[in-house]
Amino acid sequence: DAGVIQSPRHEVTEMGQEVTLRCKPISGHDYLFWYRQTMMRGLELLIYFNNNVPIDDSGMPEDRFSAKMPNASFSTLKIQPSEPRDSAVYFCAVHSGPLGNTIYFGEGSWLTVV
Amino acid sequence: DQQVKQNSPSLSVQEGRISILNCDYTNSMFDYFLWYKKYPAEGPTFLISISSIKDKNEDGRFTVFLNKSAKHLSLHIVPSQPGDSAVYFCAEHSGNTGKLIFGQGTTLQVKP
Repeated sequence: DAGVIQSPRHEVTEMGQEVTLRCKPISGHDYLFWYRQTMMRGLELLIYFNNNVPIDDSGMPEDRFSAKMPNASFSTLKIQPSEPRDSAVYFCAVHSGPLGNTIYFGEGSWLTVV
Repeated sequence: DQQVKQNSPSLSVQEGRISILNCDYTNSMFDYFLWYKKYPAEGPTFLISISSIKDKNEDGRFTVFLNKSAKHLSLHIVPSQPGDSAVYFCAEHSGNTGKLIFGQGTTLQVKP
């Protein structure tokens, strides 16, 4: 258990509102990922950070999405304004080292935009 | 444009039989291929991985096969158990860039 804490676990919001999803991993990981789970695309990589620096944000669907990582123990994913098609489960994951089996996920944030 | 493809959304298998989950990829630059398992309302958890320089890795009931020429990855579970019922995601990971990309997932149902 790498202790990746996501909040909120569930959020229901109205279209047009700002949504902020939070991730608090135990420090000591080099990489942090944000994924979105949908039926069509599975686990879709949105953005990932290395040592708090964004490396690849090509998966961020639109300018309405932004992510920050001010320190090794905290990251946010913001959607402004939110739309119904943003409804999904958003996962944060962390990883260290070269091996692919040391990647740990949080339990996800379930977002519903009505 | 899906780099990692799991073309079967679902699979149903009888308990005790073999489950075979398949995955195709397009980019050969990744170092590791992984399988993750996900139960409802939980985050994905690591199941098994294989280095790109190998063609087989076995861990108990789980075996992953890698066919680099075909760019194909498969996970064999034998014997299948009802507790194996979950969504299985394949993924590719680059040790160089740290990038980790997943497929769409396959829902496995193991019937008692």
